[in-house]
Amino acid sequence: DQQVKQNSPSLSVQEGRISILNCDYTNSMFDYFLWYKKYPAEGPTFLISISSIKDKNEDGRFTVFLNKSAKHLSLHIVPSQPGDSAVYFCAASARWEGGSEKLVFGKGTKLTVNP
Amino acid sequence: GAGVSQSPSNKVTEKGKDVELRCDPISGHTALYWYRQSLGQGLEFLIYFQGNSAPDKSGLPSDRFSAERTGGSVSTLTIQRTQQEDSAVYLCASSSLLGQKTPKDDYEQYFGPGTRLTVT
Repeated sequence: DQQVKQNSPSLSVQEGRISILNCDYTNSMFDYFLWYKKYPAEGPTFLISISSIKDKNEDGRFTVFLNKSAKHLSLHIVPSQPGDSAVYFCAASARWEGGSEKLVFGKGTKLTVNP
Repeated sequence: GAGVSQSPSNKVTEKGKDVELRCDPISGHTALYWYRQSLGQGLEFLIYFQGNSAPDKSGLPSDRFSAERTGGSVSTLTIQRTQQEDSAVYLCASSSLLGQKTPKDDYEQYFGPGTRLTVT
């Protein structure tokens, strides 16, 4: 069973518009969430994170929103640029579980930003 | 400063052979993780090392998989008697974890470029 789900395998947006990538999770023990961006033949690159004590975190063009009651988070990219075209992975961890801090990843959403 | 490096970048092996994949974490990072990404899948956790603590091996798919971390730095992931379903990109990550963590302590795992393993 998937604990982190990215239900949209792909998303296409126009340059300059907003990109919204969604992620749902099932494990209520998750307390830390991250977004990674991955280009072909490269390892994932950290983008932005959010702790469960917050509901929003912003870094430049990237904002992550967390809705704990809905077990849902989203990544907003405004304005979208062609260089943002990549696969975006949502990840979660349960840092306070007392165990390891392994990340549980979704399957990714391929974002294409068209010029 | 160098990032996480992995070698080899590509490995093709015959079914039944053993393979070793290497990871050099970022200097000073105490935590090291192995993940793998099979075709069309997300990243799957394999094993985690943190300092001198016993590793978390809960993600290893079978006893053919093992990993060690020597001197708290370099790690080797070994797959014995490889099978075709072992074909994947194997990714290593490292992070710097503080002894005491609070909700304000944000951190991230830095990934290497991965080793693409193909078992024929």
